[in-house]
Amino acid sequence: SQKIEQNSEALNIQEGKTATLTCNYTNYSPAYLQWYRQDPGRGPVFLLLIRENEKEKRKERLKVTFDTTLKQSLFHITASQPADSATYLCACPTGSYIPTFGRGTSLIVHP
Amino acid sequence: EAGVVQSPRYKIIEKKQPVAFWCNPISGHNTLYWYRQNLGQGPELLIRYENEEAVDDSQLPKDRFSAERLKGVDSTLKIQPAELGDSAVYLCASTPDRLAGNIQYFGAGTRLSVL
Repeated sequence: SQKIEQNSEALNIQEGKTATLTCNYTNYSPAYLQWYRQDPGRGPVFLLLIRENEKEKRKERLKVTFDTTLKQSLFHITASQPADSATYLCACPTGSYIPTFGRGTSLIVHP
Repeated sequence: EAGVVQSPRYKIIEKKQPVAFWCNPISGHNTLYWYRQNLGQGPELLIRYENEEAVDDSQLPKDRFSAERLKGVDSTLKIQPAELGDSAVYLCASTPDRLAGNIQYFGAGTRLSVL
């Protein structure tokens, strides 16, 4: 079955730097990958979706890449701000569109 | 547009007691999901509904968990009896189009503590 792997260690960066988070999948290339943001005590909020035939997707300060050779998606936040501090979850569909989520990576942006 | 509404936000019960969670999805979203999220983990699917029909319920512990979605709108998830290991956040999500990217719209969740 498909597994999503995200770094369990928190990523600490300074304000203004680019944060890069990694999502690896273990088996077949999914049709798409999604990235969500989750704040404490809240449900995840959808950020970006990238399809298998897309190399890169951008939205304001966010950028997502999808490398089917490496079985990996990278999530970038440029010019990071303390307000970007949250947990970021990667997700992809498995059989019958069942969403599978990674455990998420905590991002902490220091002022 | 109102988002996915869940209640209660918090619930503390003693083990062996029953508990129920309620979810009102976004209007027009035919697909509804219940997830369980343990601390430090991602959401894990419990059950998916397409309108009134329950599908993808293989991860639902059917000996103690039950769910229903009457009239294809609101849904309830019940645990009876609750066990200590059921302590988690229970998330409800809905999606407008499962085939076009299956973007999940989540509620704030219900945090369950079983003592």
